[in-house]
Amino acid sequence: NAGVMQNPRHLVRRRGQEARLRCSPMKGHSHVYWYRQLPEEGLKFMVYLQKENIIDESGMPKERFSAEFPKEGPSILRIQQVVRGDSAAYFCASSPVGGADYGYTFGSGTRLTVV
Amino acid sequence: AQKVTQAQTEISVVEKEDVTLDCVYETRDTTYYLFWYKQPPSGELVFLIRRNSFDEQNEISGRYSWNFQKSTSSFNFTITASQVVDSAVYFCALKTTNTGNQFYFGTGTSLTVIP
Repeated sequence: NAGVMQNPRHLVRRRGQEARLRCSPMKGHSHVYWYRQLPEEGLKFMVYLQKENIIDESGMPKERFSAEFPKEGPSILRIQQVVRGDSAAYFCASSPVGGADYGYTFGSGTRLTVV
Repeated sequence: AQKVTQAQTEISVVEKEDVTLDCVYETRDTTYYLFWYKQPPSGELVFLIRRNSFDEQNEISGRYSWNFQKSTSSFNFTITASQVVDSAVYFCALKTTNTGNQFYFGTGTSLTVIP
């Protein structure tokens, strides 16, 4: 009964490269959420997706960031042309339909370092 | 607007001491949910507790207890007889029914238990 799976655990990118972060939700969960944790800060909401739909992207930076949750396969958070300020831990969480009120199940996060 | 404040940035205690982590929240919604998550040094986020706004009963789970007081908008977390394994960053979070499925996290309290 695997939980939320994120990969890679650690990702190093040079400035200007692209970063792709993957998240497979818990079995039976159809809702996925991405949060970013900057150093010394709490988690900040980025985007909420259901299969093939972006429900709420109010926390996504306007440029360079995109997210998808295709019909088949994991959810992907994509950061184009990364900059040093993108260095952070990115957490994915999932919940069943109507289940967010009961709390998310988080993955272990992807630590992105931009050099 | 929704906001969670964890005023204590870092706390150190000696093993077996009791420690209370403070959480103050702000919301105008009458229906909301409060959560505590633990982030150990390994980095993952572990769900500890959920409380809804209509249930002000305090809760105890082993060495952990939570004190929810609507009058002061607080949801404090006490660890009794602390242990080294309790060393972690603890996050308080808020979700309301009028803000979709987004969680609002505090900036976390880093707890160090000294043997």
